[in-house]
Amino acid sequence: DQQVKQNSPSLSVQEGRISILNCDYTNSMFDYFLWYKKYPAEGPTFLISISSIKDKNEDGRFTVFLNKSAKHLSLHIVPSQPGDSAVYFCAASPNFGNEKLTFGTGTRLTIIP
Amino acid sequence: DVKVTQSSRYLVKRTGEKVFLECVQDMDHENMFWYRQDPGLGLRLIYFSYDVKMKEKGDIPEGYSVSREKKERFSLILESASTNQTSMYLCASKRTGLASGNTIYFGEGSWLTVV
Repeated sequence: DQQVKQNSPSLSVQEGRISILNCDYTNSMFDYFLWYKKYPAEGPTFLISISSIKDKNEDGRFTVFLNKSAKHLSLHIVPSQPGDSAVYFCAASPNFGNEKLTFGTGTRLTIIP
Repeated sequence: DVKVTQSSRYLVKRTGEKVFLECVQDMDHENMFWYRQDPGLGLRLIYFSYDVKMKEKGDIPEGYSVSREKKERFSLILESASTNQTSMYLCASKRTGLASGNTIYFGEGSWLTVV
């Protein structure tokens, strides 16, 4: 049972445009959400996070939006750059500080120059 | 910077062999994890450890065991490798507590092929 779902396995976006990656979850106990980025043959690296007490968190070109009633979050990258081409995983945990994360299936983002 | 080192990047093993995947972290983190990554399935938690000699099953522990004799080292053991264990294995570590949030640091991964 996939509790964190990324329904788009891949996404292609023109350089300079906005990339929007989506993530849905089913477990209402999830309270803290993160995005990780992964290049081929490397481990994932932390990108940005959001707690359920907020609906938006920004860090430079990256913004995460959380719609708790819809159990949906999204990652916006603007403007998209070639170095953003990677696989993006969303992850969730029941509370801030919980040791276990549940990951989604990933979305491969390709930025077209 | 946190460094999580997986000693073997690429391994090829035969069905039935016992396989050890080793992981070392240098930041004195209490928690260590083993995930596997498969296309279309994302990252799935195999086992994790919150302290020396302590372990807890993740979502897919069958066919695996772990060992944590020292704080910095977490080993994943495939008692009898099978072809469906061909995958990329990722080790990770994290400090306990709210100060670090939920940021998990990953190693570079170990590609295991079982033939």
